[in-house]
Amino acid sequence: EADIYQTPRYLVIGTGKKITLECSQTMGHDKMYWYQQDPGMELHLIHYSYGVNSTEKGDLSSESTVSRIRTEHFPLTLESARPSHTSQYLCASSSISSFPNTEAFFGQGTRLTVV
Amino acid sequence: GENVEQHPSTLSVQEGDSAVIKCTYSDSASNYFPWYKQELGKRPQLIIDIRSNVGEKKDQRIAVTLNKTAKHFSLHITETQPEDSAVYFCAAPDDKIIFGKGTRLHILP
Repeated sequence: EADIYQTPRYLVIGTGKKITLECSQTMGHDKMYWYQQDPGMELHLIHYSYGVNSTEKGDLSSESTVSRIRTEHFPLTLESARPSHTSQYLCASSSISSFPNTEAFFGQGTRLTVV
Repeated sequence: GENVEQHPSTLSVQEGDSAVIKCTYSDSASNYFPWYKQELGKRPQLIIDIRSNVGEKKDQRIAVTLNKTAKHFSLHITETQPEDSAVYFCAAPDDKIIFGKGTRLHILP
């Protein structure tokens, strides 16, 4: 079934550790996004990508990096986790179709706790 | 870049009454206006969208209206039910998707 998958779903990690949050989609979408969201709150855009080898920073300043080596894969890396990174991270994707913008599909999220 | 303002931030309505949430956007070139619903503990999902070539779209109890001159679009939910309780987000995508800050809708029994 076409979907967007995030792993892990939950992660508790110590301060200073390097972590990578995985996101993969089987929808054949070109555009992918990472959002940070505290429960029920605003969706802050961290990074986005138009396609392979394309990455852009979003509006939320973040000590994170992304890569887009394959169309279906868009991992997010925190080089040194801090308690302020505690949040939920949502990955999303959308298609470049005949219209400029279409529906975004979200993964189930990774809930990160930095202790 | 695009800027999206969403109001109100919280809305409580009696079950069976109507709810209206409004968003304003800044980029006149925007031509696609979606609304997403996020239930507690779940991911956001599209519930209705509208393109700039129409002024209104309806799907059962939900509708979206667009006023391109005033640069705002609204979500209307009629005959509200308990399952409508959620956070609702508007968006005005350009090259990226920027969401409004969300409206927490409470349906009161």
